[in-house]
Amino acid sequence: EIVLTQSPDFQSVTPKEKVTITCRASQSIGGSLHWYQQKPDQSPKLLIKYASQSFSGVPSRFSGSGSGTDFTLTINSLEAEDAATYYCHQSSSLPETFGGGTKVEIK
Amino acid sequence: EVQLVESGGGLVQPGGSLRLSCAASGFSFSSYAMSWLRQAPGKGLEWVSALSGSGVGTIYADSVKGRFTISRDNSKNTLYLQMNSLRAEDTAVYYCAKRASPDVRGVINVFDYWGQGTLVTVSS
Repeated sequence: EIVLTQSPDFQSVTPKEKVTITCRASQSIGGSLHWYQQKPDQSPKLLIKYASQSFSGVPSRFSGSGSGTDFTLTINSLEAEDAATYYCHQSSSLPETFGGGTKVEIK
Repeated sequence: EVQLVESGGGLVQPGGSLRLSCAASGFSFSSYAMSWLRQAPGKGLEWVSALSGSGVGTIYADSVKGRFTISRDNSKNTLYLQMNSLRAEDTAVYYCAKRASPDVRGVINVFDYWGQGTLVTVSS
């Protein structure tokens, strides 16, 4: 099973600041890494697919990069509505797995 | 607009059974694989099972294999999860999610839309 390790676990950020979340895979997964946003008491929403492809309707301040074992989700100019937990997900091999999540709090 | 609405959750005793449903609308249901995922209280996300658009291909996480059965009725645009021999560790919010491909392991393996979830509590 591929283990995804996210860092940091928690981040407290002021509005307009840049946020960087990393996801490291226990073995190479090529570009099969996706990012989701889960706001409190809501279901997850797809943000980025295949490392860097933005999903329909996602604001342009969200971007992704990386390949192999190291991936990054970047939120440029954080907005209050971005307070959420962010999860990475690998679909390279079964079982598909998720990272432990990164909670982003607005200061 | 894609909508996925889960139902069927509740409190069940260890060893008991429950059947979850997920009513889909806003897309061609039979053209896409569907999945169930779960999230234990205060925890992260865990993939549980997937089923192809045709209903032929199925896959399960080891943690539920032999106890859970995924199925679908394309005439009713509904996905199901039959859960038997439930354990305390199965307690979670269960989400159904749409895949972006017709196959369980297709070209685009992402969960592009999720339902709001239904809570399953296994406790005596």
